[in-house]
Amino acid sequence: AQKITQTQPGMFVQEKEAVTLDCTYDTSDPSYGLFWYKQPSSGEMIFLIYQGSYDQQNATEGRYSLNFQKARKSANLVISASQLGDSAMYFCAMREYYGNNRLAFGKGNQVVVIP
Amino acid sequence: GAGVSQSPSNKVTEKGKDVELRCDPISGHTALYWYRQRLGQGLEFLIYFQGNSAPDKSGLPSDRFSAERTGESVSTLTIQRTQQEDSAVYLCASSSPGAGTEAFFGQGTRLTVV
Repeated sequence: AQKITQTQPGMFVQEKEAVTLDCTYDTSDPSYGLFWYKQPSSGEMIFLIYQGSYDQQNATEGRYSLNFQKARKSANLVISASQLGDSAMYFCAMREYYGNNRLAFGKGNQVVVIP
Repeated sequence: GAGVSQSPSNKVTEKGKDVELRCDPISGHTALYWYRQRLGQGLEFLIYFQGNSAPDKSGLPSDRFSAERTGESVSTLTIQRTQQEDSAVYLCASSSPGAGTEAFFGQGTRLTVV
């Protein structure tokens, strides 16, 4: 069964600093995909970044990068040069390739960027 | 439109009434997901469709909840005899074939049961 764990309490980050959001997962499927989404106070879900379990390189998308440590089953999101607009909830998600294809989400991390 | 469309955007209903929530996925997206998000909480998986079939209904919280999808497009989530604990935002997402593709979300339906 899939399980995504995000346990950090709400985080305050100084503008222009970097922040790391932790995500660990549990799966018996050898192939899977990991996703991060952002949900600002408006409620929309915004896709940020994807990492495949067999990808050799850590994924990067602009100011977002994913620190993927397969042996530890962790997929931490790093946001560099934080901006006020980065204040939001951040969700980690996983989809198994050979499983039931459910896209399962963690409980989220709250980030507040302060000027 | 090009995105996932959900209707209504807001729904207030009396306890005990039935409600239907609609999701129009992005054209060509065979996978469709329903989630429930209570205030300040994470996304609770409800059901997943691949085409018109639902290989995973394990998240439906009770037999008052049902969902269907027709023509590999529109999906309807029905809640019968609504209870106050059903109050939440119901989110729909769709994705194209391939487990590595991201899911695109609609804006959600905010359901309030009074």
